[in-house]
Amino acid sequence: QKEVEQNSGPLSVPEGAIASLNCTYSDRGSQSFFWYRQYSGKSPELIMFIYSNGDKEDGRFTAQLNKASQYVSLLIRDSQPSDSATYLCAVNKGSNTGKLIFGQGTTLQVKP
Amino acid sequence: NAGVTQTPKFQVLKTGQSMTLQCAQDMNHNSMYWYRQDPGMGLRLIYYSASEGTTDKGEVPNGYNVSRLNKREFSLRLESAAPSQTSVYFCASSERDRADTQYFGPGTRLTVL
Repeated sequence: QKEVEQNSGPLSVPEGAIASLNCTYSDRGSQSFFWYRQYSGKSPELIMFIYSNGDKEDGRFTAQLNKASQYVSLLIRDSQPSDSATYLCAVNKGSNTGKLIFGQGTTLQVKP
Repeated sequence: NAGVTQTPKFQVLKTGQSMTLQCAQDMNHNSMYWYRQDPGMGLRLIYYSASEGTTDKGEVPNGYNVSRLNKREFSLRLESAAPSQTSVYFCASSERDRADTQYFGPGTRLTVL
């Protein structure tokens, strides 16, 4: 079992719809969770991070964390073609370092 | 601010050749990281440096060495390149060494023939 798992997709949604991206992790001691967006041929850029159970909203993006079920999700409202990218989930296991474990990423396609 | 810079952007090596990938950041960050990204594998940590003067292994350190030259610079060396090291290499930095936002450089595309 991979430490951080994502469905590789592609996930295809129509423009204006809600895109839901999911990530599960295996280490119950994990403490912080990050969502990165990566356009083809580019480097990852941070969208959001979340530390506590519940929802965290930032513009069209909402991160959701459920530590009991060991999953974290990212919702993108009013999806735009410019949101088409690979979304990487990353987990810090709570050790004394900033080491992140990344999932393999989910490719999102937003169709006009 | 340039953020995190990496050189070179592209490199082709023959099996057995050596090379050093350079990374520098101008954000006064303490921690720096080297990742590799292969298709369908996400990002995997090779080495990291929590602070100047310290380095430690990540998930996939075999075949690599690193040097934290000063607070700004963190280099990755391949002593004897192998085709399995064909990948995209990203350097990243963060202010602290704990659960902090990491900022990535543009990447180096390395092909080993």
